[in-house]
Amino acid sequence: NAGVTQTPKFQVLKTGQSMTLQCAQDMNHEYMSWYRQDPGMGLRLIHYSVGAGITDQGEVPNGYNVSRSTTEDFPLRLLSAAPSQTSVYFCATTERLQEFFGPGTRLTVL
Amino acid sequence: GQNIDQPTEMTATEGAIVQINCTYQTSGFNGLFWYQQHAGEAPTFLSYNVLDGLEEKGRFSSFLSRSKGYSYLLLKELQMKDSASYLCAVRPTGGGNKLTFGTGTQLKVEL
Repeated sequence: NAGVTQTPKFQVLKTGQSMTLQCAQDMNHEYMSWYRQDPGMGLRLIHYSVGAGITDQGEVPNGYNVSRSTTEDFPLRLLSAAPSQTSVYFCATTERLQEFFGPGTRLTVL
Repeated sequence: GQNIDQPTEMTATEGAIVQINCTYQTSGFNGLFWYQQHAGEAPTFLSYNVLDGLEEKGRFSSFLSRSKGYSYLLLKELQMKDSASYLCAVRPTGGGNKLTFGTGTQLKVEL
């Protein structure tokens, strides 16, 4: 099992560009979430999903969209990238109260 | 809301014991979690407490006091590979599976 996978590993964008961060899991977990991690801020929840077709906002949702058409995939879209979105993004699934994190995407917005 | 506090940095010696504290204030409580994160990697689950007391798992133990809003992670027989950031996280009641993380404690293990 691959667990939770994320692509790309690294990305550089210019201000105003859009892109999608991909997240996929093969553990058949219903609950998935996206976090961003910034120095001195800890992990902050962006969006989450309790199952296919259901998504909701976390602590810092502005500037991001998500969708959940299948159990396996939970992409995160940046609509118009801003330098404040420079961060490390982690996708995670939750099963039996335990979080399983993907390897992360390191995003720089210039 | 939730507020979680933990020290920013700690240094300890190989073979020693270190205790990393975490205090929290939440509107409800449904569990406290500890994660380990090595530099450039994803967090990995270490332990979980929902009731008061000590949970032991090999060299790692975690303690919880709900009345004091306090937890600690105890690492015994420290090894160089234990150098990492240790994240305290709380799951509030009514929040489903949502976790609120502290900013992490960077532990450096020296010879």
